[in-house]
Amino acid sequence: GQSLEQPSEVTAVEGAIVQINCTYQTSGFYGLSWYQQHDGGAPTFLSYNALDGLEETGRFSSFLSRSDSYGYLLLQELQMKDSASYFCAVNTGFQKLVFGTGTRLLVSP
Amino acid sequence: DTEVTQTPKHLVMGMTNKKSLKCEQHMGHRAMYWYKQKAKKPPELMFVYSYEKLSINESVPSRFSPECPNSSLLNLHLHALQPEDSALYLCASSLGTGTQSPYEQYFGPGTRLTVT
Repeated sequence: GQSLEQPSEVTAVEGAIVQINCTYQTSGFYGLSWYQQHDGGAPTFLSYNALDGLEETGRFSSFLSRSDSYGYLLLQELQMKDSASYFCAVNTGFQKLVFGTGTRLLVSP
Repeated sequence: DTEVTQTPKHLVMGMTNKKSLKCEQHMGHRAMYWYKQKAKKPPELMFVYSYEKLSINESVPSRFSPECPNSSLLNLHLHALQPEDSALYLCASSLGTGTQSPYEQYFGPGTRLTVT
């Protein structure tokens, strides 16, 4: 079967740094994507790691270790607008993404 | 234009009704997807169309019937639904379905469906 595990909820204050972890077991792995979804909104693409290491995109960075079947999303200089659900998703190479369980991030003032 | 549009935004239907959801993109993407999402859960893949042909059906009940009339349009026909089918239905598109292509998908705002 396929499983992608994430913490269900993470809380932090504005200006802080937070890390959202994702561990996966999938049949097929071509890369790990991250998506953000605000309440009532559509998922939006944040980043993708096909190779091991860190990818940085502004305040957001994403890391992948294929040998550990593990990745994380790092959000820096947190803002209130970052309060949302975050999903990791594995590109299995079979024409589809498999989404993780999702992490709800709550940013407080 | 990096937008995927979906209509209607909200839909309430009885268990004996027939309705359709519509999705449109003009990004030249050749892969389109239907997902179902329940509250506080991840999107759950239903169907994948690649170059206007159905390539994946994730064992979805036949009361859901997808259709891809052309490369920009995707429909989901609904009939004889059950109350447990109430959910947010999301459409998405990506450049293609080659091994790396599905990683970046553009999602529409969704149709919130309530079955009574």
